[in-house]
Amino acid sequence: DTAVSQTPKYLVTQMGNDKSIKCEQNLGHDTMYWYKQDSKKFLKIMFSYNNKELIINETVPNRFSPKSPDKAHLNLHINSLELGDSAVYFCASSQDKEREVNEQFFGPGTRLTVL
Amino acid sequence: AQKITQTQPGMFVQEKEAVTLDCTYDTSDQSYGLFWYKQPSSGEMIFLIYQGSYDEQNATEGRYSLNFQKARKSANLVISASQLGDSAMYFCAMRPTDSWGKLQFGAGTQVVVTP
Repeated sequence: DTAVSQTPKYLVTQMGNDKSIKCEQNLGHDTMYWYKQDSKKFLKIMFSYNNKELIINETVPNRFSPKSPDKAHLNLHINSLELGDSAVYFCASSQDKEREVNEQFFGPGTRLTVL
Repeated sequence: AQKITQTQPGMFVQEKEAVTLDCTYDTSDQSYGLFWYKQPSSGEMIFLIYQGSYDEQNATEGRYSLNFQKARKSANLVISASQLGDSAMYFCAMRPTDSWGKLQFGAGTQVVVTP
């Protein structure tokens, strides 16, 4: 009965590789997010989708490409991984609407280590 | 642009005591939501409490209460009767209500509860 799930939990890979992180929510939410938490624990939004439509796209290298096949899923694909991409990536979902704010429910995080 | 400031990088608190975590924010938005999240050492992000900028009453959830002072742009979290399980990183966050605002996080406060 997990609300927001992410796979994998840990990802260790070499520089230059391409990898994907998957996220699924079973809360019936319309809005999903990707966040990056760096080594100093600072959390920053990367992308947000509402009903499969991209609504927030922060200044993120275009090596990062989110994909939302349906409103319950938001995947993150990263091309040509760099050392600086090492971080914990969190997926989240909420009932947020354009002018309505609700709490966001976070997945367990994916710890990405680039060697 | 919004800015969330948590001035206490870390603090120790004795079990059963109350602790106040400071959060100030800077925004030109008239309508916004304020959140507190807890991140234990296991890494998950747990929603604790929410306050809307137009809510007249301070939010409370069990042992958590939010001391909201709008004129001072302050949204401090008070944890009453601290427990060992409260040891964690605590993040203050804000999202404007207008349009698709981004949820922005402060740098966090590390709380250690001692017996």
